[in-house]
Amino acid sequence: AQSVSQHNHHVILSEAASLELGCNYSYGGTVNLFWYVQYPGQHLQLLLKYFSGDPLVKGIKGFEAEFIKSKFSFNLRKPSVQWSDTAEYFCAVGGSNTNAGKSTFGDGTTLTVKP
Amino acid sequence: EAQVTQNPRYLITVTGKKLTVTCSQNMNHEYMSWYRQDPGLGLRQIYYSMNVEVTDKGDVPEGYKVSRKEKRNFPLILESPSPNQTSLYFCASSLFPTGAGYEQYFGPGTRLTVT
Repeated sequence: AQSVSQHNHHVILSEAASLELGCNYSYGGTVNLFWYVQYPGQHLQLLLKYFSGDPLVKGIKGFEAEFIKSKFSFNLRKPSVQWSDTAEYFCAVGGSNTNAGKSTFGDGTTLTVKP
Repeated sequence: EAQVTQNPRYLITVTGKKLTVTCSQNMNHEYMSWYRQDPGLGLRQIYYSMNVEVTDKGDVPEGYKVSRKEKRNFPLILESPSPNQTSLYFCASSLFPTGAGYEQYFGPGTRLTVT
């Protein structure tokens, strides 16, 4: 069964600090990886995704993530966070060929950015 | 505006009283899913649907039913709710499966309390 592990449950940073949120998955097939963000009081929305090709993917609001197949990782990064990045972040993996509609999410990381 | 809508947004009910949470999308998406979000557990998939009349279990289907009689609608049914189903529920849709790299669009959530 596929699983996703997010290492940090709560991260507190000051504005302008760099961010890296860890995500590891366990899945043997072709992976499709996603990072979603949930701002306070808002819907979950897509930050970025990896489907194939360049393992370094760029998303909205200056976020990027690197797919490292050998480490089963898809860590999220941002060089300089802003107060408005305060939110909950979820890593997710899409299903396999036979269960393509399945999605597995990590437990989430709450990011608090202090002004 | 492209969106996923859910109703009701908030619901307080008593144990054993059947309820339905509706979900509708206006993007002509093939895939739809239901998730529950609990503190520290992230999002867990309850059921998903690949198309009209085609559904499959997610990771936590016990105590829930779904149906997909029309492409745009995917209601979640709790025939005999119990307190352990108190949670925040999200409906999501995607054009094609996440296993093929397609992102999901989420509804605003339904906060359910079962007393």
